[in-house]
Amino acid sequence: DQQVKQNSPSLSVQEGRISILNCDYTNSMFDYFLWYKKYPAEGPTFLISISSIKDKNEDGRFTVFLNKSAKHLSLHIVPSQPGDSAVYFCAASAPGAGSYQLTFGKGTKLSVIP
Amino acid sequence: GAVVSQHPSRVICKSGTSVKIECRSLDFQATTMFWYRQFPKQSLMLMATSNEGSKATYEQGVEKDKFLINHASLTLSTLTVTSAHPEDSSFYICSARGAGQVAGYTFGSGTRLTVV
Repeated sequence: DQQVKQNSPSLSVQEGRISILNCDYTNSMFDYFLWYKKYPAEGPTFLISISSIKDKNEDGRFTVFLNKSAKHLSLHIVPSQPGDSAVYFCAASAPGAGSYQLTFGKGTKLSVIP
Repeated sequence: GAVVSQHPSRVICKSGTSVKIECRSLDFQATTMFWYRQFPKQSLMLMATSNEGSKATYEQGVEKDKFLINHASLTLSTLTVTSAHPEDSSFYICSARGAGQVAGYTFGSGTRLTVV
């Protein structure tokens, strides 16, 4: 049973427009959410995160929105640039045992078209 | 910022041999290290969690005798794939978390293992 779902395996966006990547989760114990960006044959790079006590976090061109009642979060990239083309993973963590394990979605491949 | 170095980046080995992958935290002490495996077009799947000086905790379905994890120091964890088979071919990634680091772990650059 997948606790973190990214239902869109791919997304294509024109350069300069907004990219919206979506993520849904089922585990109500998750209290911290992260987005990672990954290029082929490289490890993921942390992008932005949000705590469950917030509904929005912004960092430059990247904004993450959290809707706890819908168990849904989204990553907005504005404006999209060709260098943003990568696979984006949504991840979530729940407190407990001090391990802070991350549960990842399957990723969404973003292609920004020049 | 925190840096995690993972080696080798690519390895090809013969079936039946063992391969060791190293993960080092270069500028912080990693109290916890995680090992993930990623198959093509799939998510990062957690294999095991290791805390320095103690035995690793393996996820369900991961054979601990096949995937040996050692976290002997606060800056080094190793994953040894023993008696590798072609189905072990995958992309292995480590991540490290330092004391006081809530989330946003630092990932290594990954190791592409191909077993022929």
